[in-house]
Amino acid sequence: DADVTQTPRNRITKTGKRIMLECSQTKGHDRMYWYRQDPGLGLRLIYYSFDVKDINKGEISDGYSVSRQAQAKFSLSLESAIPNQTALYFCATSDQRTGDTQYFGPGTRLTVL
Amino acid sequence: SQQGEEDPQALSIQEGENATMNCSYKTSINNLQWYRQNSGRGLVHLILIRSNEREKHSGRLRVTLDTSKKSSSLLITASRAADTASYFCATEINSGGSNYKLTFGKGTLLTVNP
Repeated sequence: DADVTQTPRNRITKTGKRIMLECSQTKGHDRMYWYRQDPGLGLRLIYYSFDVKDINKGEISDGYSVSRQAQAKFSLSLESAIPNQTALYFCATSDQRTGDTQYFGPGTRLTVL
Repeated sequence: SQQGEEDPQALSIQEGENATMNCSYKTSINNLQWYRQNSGRGLVHLILIRSNEREKHSGRLRVTLDTSKKSSSLLITASRAADTASYFCATEINSGGSNYKLTFGKGTLLTVNP
């Protein structure tokens, strides 16, 4: 089984709809991240959490919110989706104790019509 | 703005040749990491080099770091068609206290032709 899983893997929705993307990890890591990837722009950090009670805005947090329900779960919400939020979304984890490498999930491809 | 910038944006070589990708960054870093991404899939960590290191090897990968020039290079030797992917550098900086975060570049698309 994959260590970092994301659901759904693909989603098509309409402008104005509320969308939640979920991330779960079995690695026991304390840190979790949400990134967005657009063609030609690389990865940009949306939100990150260094433990359950810690939530931090990243480079492009406007229009997004997150919830760290447990150490293993980190959800990203789009309260009112808009077309320019069409992108590939990645969740990642890392651990303060073991070093600086991030482990990525397989991604969620979101299309907002 | 992007902390790390890869160069070139795209690179096409023949199988067996070496591939070199470069990364430049702007501010002081704790470490620099290289990741690989196959089309539409998650990133996979390749190698990490710390700010006090100058060169590191892992299999066919060789990474160098020049902190005076704020640049790094990734060399893949004896390339294979399976090396075809996008390669990203990521710089880790101090975001406050003991917490750090990574900032990714835009990537180099490597195509290895059989």
